[in-house]
Amino acid sequence: ETGVTQTPRHLVMGMTNKKSLKCEQHLGHNAMYWYKQSAKKPLELMFVYNFKEQTENNSVPSRFSPECPNSSHLFLHLHTLQPEDSALYLCASSQEGGGPSTDTQYFGPGTRLTVL
Amino acid sequence: AQTVTQSQPEMSVQEAETVTLSCTYDTSESDYYLFWYKQPPSRQMILVIRQEAYKQQNATENRFSVNFQKAAKSFSLKISDSQLGDAAMYFCAYRSDGGATNKLIFGTGTLLAVQP
Repeated sequence: ETGVTQTPRHLVMGMTNKKSLKCEQHLGHNAMYWYKQSAKKPLELMFVYNFKEQTENNSVPSRFSPECPNSSHLFLHLHTLQPEDSALYLCASSQEGGGPSTDTQYFGPGTRLTVL
Repeated sequence: AQTVTQSQPEMSVQEAETVTLSCTYDTSESDYYLFWYKQPPSRQMILVIRQEAYKQQNATENRFSVNFQKAAKSFSLKISDSQLGDAAMYFCAYRSDGGATNKLIFGTGTLLAVQP
C-alpha cells in the first residue's frame, strides 16, 4: 500500500528534543488527518485539514504542532513531549465533497513514537 | 455525541470457517457512513468495507459482508472462508454524512486470530 506514506516509521526522542513526522498522500485527495493510536484505546483524531486549512483541532496540547503546506503533505512537529505521548501516530487522507469513494479515509503505515 | 462499541475484544476462528464481528453504534443522525477497517500486525490500516446508511442493501466485498440493521444500530462484519491473512485487529468506524466534520469515530477494535 503506497497511497499514503509516513516517515519515519520509528522514532525515539527525549523530552527536550524537537522532531517532525511527515505524511505524504499520492491519491489526489483534498483532506488530511492526524490520529493517535494508544494501546487499549480507540483511535483519537488530533487534527483535520481540508484544502490545506485546519478545520479541526481535537483539544490537542500545543506541544503538537501540525503543518499542511499543500494538499499532498502534512507534518506533525513535536517538542517537549511527555512519556505518555508515546504511541502510534497515523496519517490519513480522503476526498471530500463528491466523487467516487468520497469521504473514505485511507491510512498510512504510521510512525511508532517512543518518548524517553 | 456519536459512539461506537465493539463488545468482543478478541475472537478466534478456524481456517476456512466463518466468523462474525459485532459492532453497535449510537447516533441521532439519519444519514451517515459505517466502515470496517483491518489493521494487521504490520500496522497499515486497510479499508475492508463501507456502508452508506441510506442503502438498505448490505455491502459485500468478496469474502467480507456486513449485516446492517439501521433500526437496531448494528453493523456486524462477516468473514467467510477465513484465511490466515485475515488475522488482524478489526475496527468499526462511524462518520456523519455531510455537515461540518470529516471526523471518523472508531470502536476499540476486535483482535481476530485465525487458527490453522
